[in-house]
Amino acid sequence: AQSVTQLDSHVSVSEGTPVLLRCNYSSSYSPSLFWYVQHPNKGLQLLLKYTSAATLVKGINGFEAEFKKSETSFHLTKPSAHMSDAAEYFCVVSDRWSGNTGKLIFGQGTTLQVKP
Amino acid sequence: NAGVTQTPKFRILKIGQSMTLQCTQDMNHNYMYWYRQDPGMGLKLIYYSVGAGITDKGEVPNGYNVSRSTTEDFPLRLELAAPSQTSVYFCASLRGKTNEKLFFGSGTQLSVL
Repeated sequence: AQSVTQLDSHVSVSEGTPVLLRCNYSSSYSPSLFWYVQHPNKGLQLLLKYTSAATLVKGINGFEAEFKKSETSFHLTKPSAHMSDAAEYFCVVSDRWSGNTGKLIFGQGTTLQVKP
Repeated sequence: NAGVTQTPKFRILKIGQSMTLQCTQDMNHNYMYWYRQDPGMGLKLIYYSVGAGITDKGEVPNGYNVSRSTTEDFPLRLELAAPSQTSVYFCASLRGKTNEKLFFGSGTQLSVL
């Protein structure tokens, strides 16, 4: 069975400083991993996804994430935070070839606060 | 394309009442999902379906039922509403096994009083 743990419920950074949102996963099979963002009172938007191609994945709005199998991690980073990045971020895992694929499990979310 | 359409957007139920949350998608997606989002708890998978006639339980299925008689529709049924089911419910769909982007509905805010 797959699971995902977001290690920080709340992260606060200053505008212009780097962002690191941490995610660890557990999966019996080769996983697909995603990061989604949810702005207040808006729907969820896909930032990026990993599906066994390059381990460093680039997404929208300057975000990227690195898949590290040895550490079972998929941390989200951005070199320089903008005020508009303030939102809730979700790490998501799916077993790609488990025969029961399609079961997408969300982490509990990390609230990113960006201070001026 | 309308994408994923959820109705209603808001609903207040009394304890013990029943209701059905409707979800329909016009993208011919095979995979459909129901999630609930509680404050600070992220999204929890209630039920999902990999195609018409096939449904399976997610992480928190108790108190809910689903059906998938067509590719387009995936309704979620609450039979005996309880305060613990107060939440925001999201329906989502995905085209297939390559795990491309999830398309979300706009959500249903449900309160059980």
